[in-house]
Amino acid sequence: SAVISQKPSRDICQRGTSLTIQCQVDSQVTMMFWYRQQPGQSLTLIATANQGSEATYESGFVIDKFPISRPNLTFSTLTVSNMSPEDSSIYLCSVVTGGGMKTQYFGPGTRLLVL
Amino acid sequence: GIQVEQSPPDLILQEGANSTLRCNFSDSVNNLQWFHQNPWGQLINLFYIPSGTKQNGRLSATTVATERYSLLYISSSQTTDSGVYFCAVGRSNDYKLSFGAGTTVTVRA
Repeated sequence: SAVISQKPSRDICQRGTSLTIQCQVDSQVTMMFWYRQQPGQSLTLIATANQGSEATYESGFVIDKFPISRPNLTFSTLTVSNMSPEDSSIYLCSVVTGGGMKTQYFGPGTRLLVL
Repeated sequence: GIQVEQSPPDLILQEGANSTLRCNFSDSVNNLQWFHQNPWGQLINLFYIPSGTKQNGRLSATTVATERYSLLYISSSQTTDSGVYFCAVGRSNDYKLSFGAGTTVTVRA
């Protein structure tokens, strides 16, 4: 398994501003992902965070709105840019530890409210 | 993309009762996982089960890949079992998952 932390755990932001969310894992992992969970909804994959290269975004998500960095195998950031109230969600990072295992582990999430 | 349907959407149980949650998916998969999201929002991985049967305490799961469904069994439910149960599937080697809408379980004392 993996121990995953996210910062901040929650935030309230004004529209038009940006917020950067950090995801830290206690060990090197093969895959890191970012998900969004809108209020009362399921999880939607935003992108795969690739170590040392540009993230791979899912349909409906773009780099200008959600820039992602992954400088090493234990850390990633997601920025929510030029926020609007529609960006109010829980943002979660997840990891696959590798070694042939596909089990996915999730961080505690960042609760974002945009006013 | 692959469609994931979970049923029922909501389930209310008396403590000690047993229940079955279902997950249907629209295409063949090589990755299927069950998660529990507790009332505080934390997602816990319950099972990685692309086929076959697994048990972990009071929980067990069965996936019949050829018929494109999976079942999660909760026995002797406890109030701590309350939360949302998600089924998530993938069908490529990139580890990406598509989530169902979830089943919200409420266990009453």
